Amino acid sequence: NAGVTQTPKFRVLKTGQSMTLLCAQDMNHEYMYWYRQDPGMGLRLIHYSVGEGTTAKGEVPDGYNVSRLKKQNFLLGLESAAPSQTSVYFCASSSPTGRAKNIQYFGAGTRLSVL
Amino acid sequence: QQQVKQSPQSLIVQKGGISIINCAYENTAFDYFPWYQQFPGKGPALLIAIRPDVSEKKEGRFTISFNKSAKQFSLHIMVSQPGDSATYFCAASRTGGYQKVTFGIGTKLQVIP
Repeated sequence: NAGVTQTPKFRVLKTGQSMTLLCAQDMNHEYMYWYRQDPGMGLRLIHYSVGEGTTAKGEVPDGYNVSRLKKQNFLLGLESAAPSQTSVYFCASSSPTGRAKNIQYFGAGTRLSVL
Repeated sequence: QQQVKQSPQSLIVQKGGISIINCAYENTAFDYFPWYQQFPGKGPALLIAIRPDVSEKKEGRFTISFNKSAKQFSLHIMVSQPGDSATYFCAASRTGGYQKVTFGIGTKLQVIP
């Protein structure tokens, strides 16, 4: 039972480089989310998706893009990385129905450093 | 705009003591209040949750107290253990439709022997 899987676990980028963070969930959840976690800031929502082919902006979307081409996958892209994007990124998923309704299931995170 | 205010940001408790973390919210439309626990190097995981129609929910050593009129809720960890050392996030959301969750800033708990 994998749950939510994020790749890679660690990455170091130079300013201006691009990369894509991958998130996969095997729970058939409709909703998926990308958060960033910074000291003293808690978890801040970057983008989210309420279903395959749909995406929407969260609290801190600038500098990021996302895609949800398949229900089980949610990709977060950084087109031109900046040092301010150094953070730990978490993907999460949830279902709008059933006993697990309202519970967000998180991946183990991707630690990104931008030099 | 911090819609869920959490305190303290860090907490040190002796083994066997009670750990208390407090949260306050502003949006009266919130109707689901979960607490997430995060161990170092891991993602947050749901610990316990409460709805505003009850004032208290207990699961083992973990208890949520909820005060709807004051718009406050708190997590109590009884007989705290070193294995409880983690970061705890309170959160609030509205059920139905898209479930945007607003998290508190987190409390880093350290339980010392």
